[in-house]
Amino acid sequence: AQTVTQSQPEMSVQEAETVTLSCTYDTSESDYYLFWYKQPPSRQMILVIRQEAYKQQNATENRFSVNFQKAAKSFSLKISDSQLGDAAMYFCACIFNFGNEKLTFGTGTRLTIIP
Amino acid sequence: DGGITQSPKYLFRKEGQNVTLSCEQNLNHDAMYWYRQDPGQGLRLIYYSQIVNDFQKGDIAEGYSVSREKKESFPLTVTSAQKNPTAFYLCASSPSGAASTEAFFGQGTRLTVV
Repeated sequence: AQTVTQSQPEMSVQEAETVTLSCTYDTSESDYYLFWYKQPPSRQMILVIRQEAYKQQNATENRFSVNFQKAAKSFSLKISDSQLGDAAMYFCACIFNFGNEKLTFGTGTRLTIIP
Repeated sequence: DGGITQSPKYLFRKEGQNVTLSCEQNLNHDAMYWYRQDPGQGLRLIYYSQIVNDFQKGDIAEGYSVSREKKESFPLTVTSAQKNPTAFYLCASSPSGAASTEAFFGQGTRLTVV
């Protein structure tokens, strides 16, 4: 079975500090896409960052970066200089099969920013 | 503005009734998806469609039905056979055959059975 696991239901971080959210996945595919989505209180899903499995270089988007460890099947999200607007649910997701582009989601991590 | 529109935002249903959730997109995307979100369970795929007049079951299709008569529209019907329909429902779309492209989501419909 192809699964995505987020083992941290809740995390908190002081404003301006750095936090890392964990994600592991299981698949026998060699090529796939990984995503982190943010869901703020408005419940609008917003793409934070994406990573192609065939690329060794970790993706970066401003204050957001990933640590992609393909052999370990790990895809963690690092948020630097945390801001109050970063407070949200964060979902790790994967497209394992390119034929249908279905997203498989983890159960989410609720991130709280402490002023 | 291009995007996905879900309506209504809140929906109340009596037990035993069918109800239809609307999802419309003007992004010219071929693929559309319905997800269900429950606390602590993330998003689970109900149905998806990659082309007009074709759709496939997702992981939790029982008690739901869909249609895809137009490219822009992918309505979801929650039938009386769905044992626990109270949940938050999200519709999404993406270009078909473009796995690296982000999926765009609607703002969701909160369904409550009363």
